[in-house]
Amino acid sequence: EIVLTQSPGTLSLSPGESATLSCRASQTFSGNYLAWYQQKPGQAPRLLIYGASSRAADIPDRFSGSGSGTDFTLTISRLEPEDFAVYYCQQYGSPGTFGQGTKLEI
Amino acid sequence: QLLESGGGLVQPGGSLRLSCVASGFTFSDYAMGWVRQAPGKGLEWVSAFGGSGGGTYYADSVKGRFTISRDNSKDTLYLQMNSLRADDTAVYYCTKGPWGTGFIWDYWGQGTLVTVSS
Repeated sequence: EIVLTQSPGTLSLSPGESATLSCRASQTFSGNYLAWYQQKPGQAPRLLIYGASSRAADIPDRFSGSGSGTDFTLTISRLEPEDFAVYYCQQYGSPGTFGQGTKLEI
Repeated sequence: QLLESGGGLVQPGGSLRLSCVASGFTFSDYAMGWVRQAPGKGLEWVSAFGGSGGGTYYADSVKGRFTISRDNSKDTLYLQMNSLRADDTAVYYCTKGPWGTGFIWDYWGQGTLVTVSS
């Protein structure tokens, strides 16, 4: 089973700054089947990025994903107040596994 | 839209069946699944059912105890949970995939809470 490790566990930033979240896989997986989700308190997760770098529908362009192999990054530029949440990466090969999450706090 | 129901309090060793009624898309065409989240914890994929006659898949933690099924005539996904344990306590989300196969989820329900406790 592929294990995903996200870092940092918590990231403290201010609105207007940029955030860089990391997701490292225990082994290479093919197809760049890597997704990122955002979850706000009391809400279901929302898909942000799939295929490591493709934005899902209606996701602002300040969210971008990159990486391949075992190292992936979610970058959020020009942080808005509504961006402060928990972010999970997921490899969606067979089967899909999630990272433990990064909390982005003000 | 995905609307879950069936959660509640159950004793260890008991059973529950979760349901998820879908609307707004051609249900039979898409992979569907269940993802859970224990209180204050992260996300854990539980089970998936491929669209268009696709197969079923389970996390090791629930294999042999949980059964996923779907009724395409009713646009409904089910999760039969047997031999429940305390560590099955979680919010269970019904999820929809963007394609007929795969383990990625582009729409999520609001979740139903399952509590396993005596």
